Amino acid sequence: GEQVEQLPSILRVQEGSSASINCSYEDSASNYFPWYKQEPGENPKLIIDIRSNMERKQIQELIVLLDKKAKRFSLHITDTQPGDSAMYFCAASTQGTGSKLSFGKGAKLTVSP
Amino acid sequence: GPKVLQIPSHQIIDMGQMVTLNCDPVSNHLYFYWYKQILGQQMEFLVNFYNGKVMEKSKLFKDQFSVERPDGSYFTLKIQPTALEDSAVYFCASSLTYTGQLYFGEGSKLTVL
Repeated sequence: GEQVEQLPSILRVQEGSSASINCSYEDSASNYFPWYKQEPGENPKLIIDIRSNMERKQIQELIVLLDKKAKRFSLHITDTQPGDSAMYFCAASTQGTGSKLSFGKGAKLTVSP
Repeated sequence: GPKVLQIPSHQIIDMGQMVTLNCDPVSNHLYFYWYKQILGQQMEFLVNFYNGKVMEKSKLFKDQFSVERPDGSYFTLKIQPTALEDSAVYFCASSLTYTGQLYFGEGSKLTVL
């Protein structure tokens, strides 16, 4: 199945700065790339996603970029806040959402006041 | 927002015993999923289920695993018999359509001794 690599695994930033998490995938047929935020003891929650017909998407302080040629996508959190501290997982799917999401190993983001 | 409920949140059992993990998906959703997350690793797709049938399953979905949703009640994952390597957090998810957003439950932590 699809393999998704995610880096870095740990990220520490100061409040107000930006944080970036990068993912790469192998299957050029992958066409859907969601990002999930998971706080300790809670369920993963979809925060933003991008499909292969787009290169950039922004929702408030969240920006995702997709480079299909390089098979890379990334999440950028601008103006980070302590509430952004959590695990972030990227994922990829070749069949739209739902079926057989392949997840990265996650990035633990800590935002210090 | 829509919630997926999972019961139990934590279960400890002896190797060889049977366990059933229960999921109450979002009420009008039609597609159901189980994902497995070993501590410190990414979530991995196990199986998806629609209209009373398994649609797809991964190699992690061993013969000892089964899923069902009798009469629109809980969507269940049964493992019989359990093995040590089944220790993990199992996340249930549901979506309204095949390409709809996935909503995850908070997970059932299974510890096999």
